[in-house]
Order: sequence, then structure tokens, then C-alpha cells
Amino acid sequence: RKEVEQDPGPFNVPEGATVAFNCTYSNSASQSFFWYRQDCRKEPKLLMSVYSSGNEDGRFTAQLNRASQYISLLIRDSKLSDSATYLCVVNKNTGGFKTIFGAGTRLFVKA
Amino acid sequence: DTGVSQDPRHKITKRGQNVTFRCDPISEHNRLYWYRQTLGQGPEFLTYFQNEAQLEKSRLLSDRFSAERPKGSFSTLEIQRTEQGDSAMYLCASSSTGAGRMDTEAFFGQGTRLTVV
Repeated sequence: RKEVEQDPGPFNVPEGATVAFNCTYSNSASQSFFWYRQDCRKEPKLLMSVYSSGNEDGRFTAQLNRASQYISLLIRDSKLSDSATYLCVVNKNTGGFKTIFGAGTRLFVKA
Repeated sequence: DTGVSQDPRHKITKRGQNVTFRCDPISEHNRLYWYRQTLGQGPEFLTYFQNEAQLEKSRLLSDRFSAERPKGSFSTLEIQRTEQGDSAMYLCASSSTGAGRMDTEAFFGQGTRLTVV
């Protein structure tokens, strides 16, 4: 089993739609959580951190459920420019911190 | 430019040759990571350093792979006797140990795309 698993995708949605991505992680010692965005043939870039209380940044909402070891990302009012791959990222303590990425979920937003 | 930089951006090599990639992290970052990414997959962890110490290596990192960070600043990743399966994007990232010993988020370089022919 992979340490970080995501919805396989791709998600094809029309502009204005709401879309949700899920991610599960296997190591309960995981300490911090992020969503990264990666455009085609570019490096990953931080989209937002994920806090236990849930957090929102404009159209993006991230939630964490430690008991279920589950992270989610909700995108409201999708824009064409949201088309990208969204990577779930977990930092875990293995005697030092290690950053583990999920395989990513591809999103295509169409006009 | 104060971001993470990687060199070269692209490398084409013949099978069996050795290649070396360089990464210059953000200057105040003490942690440095190497990842490998193939098409359609997320970045796969290879190894990471805290300052000059290599703290963990993935099982993906065979004996042909070696990484160094001699002065705790830039890092090199060498692949010996390259194979076609080594073709991938090699990404470097850096972060710093924040308050309470939690890492800040990782910042990535633009990667080195390796093609082994």
C-alpha cells in the first residue's frame, strides 16, 4: 500500500463547478499536510497547508481528519486556470522529517 | 533569484554513461530533498539531507545512485552506468526546520530532465 493515496482522476468539470479531491495517508505519525499544484512539465508549487481545524483560501478549502487519516481539497467555482495536477503531501517524522507525495489527481476544467 | 536552482535543466546521455546533477537550495534552508518523477506520477522520494548529513535514502536509490551535500549548501546527485529506466525528471526541493521542529513547506527547483538513449 502506498503511504499517500489519492483519487486517480482525471476529473473533467465545466467552469463554475465545485470539485473535491480526497487523499488518505497510512502513517499515523504524520505531522503536517499540504496540497501542491503542478502544471504540465513544471515543478510542484505549494497551494495551501492543511490544518486540523480546516482552512480556506478563496475558492479553496482544505480539511484534515486525523482519526480517519484523510485529507480533502474542495475547489469552488472552478476556473479554466485551475486545470492542473493536485498533489497531496504529507510530512512524517521518521527520525527526521520526510516529505511524501501522492501520485496526484489531474483536473481539467472546460469552458 | 533566491529560489531553488538546478543544473542542467536537460540532459541527454547514452546508456552506460555517468551523469551528475547539481541543486542549489534556498540559502537559509537546512533540509534538501531529491525526488524523481515520471510521466503521470507524483514525485517519488529518493533521499534527503539535513545540513550536510544524509538522513534517509529510499530503496529506490540503487547502488548506482549517490548524493552528497558536502558543506550543507549545494547538493549533487550522481547516477553511474545510466539505464533507460533512469529517464525521468529529477527534482530538488529545500525546506527549513520551523518552530517546534516542524518543517516549513518544501520549495522546488525546476528540475533536471534526464533522457537516457
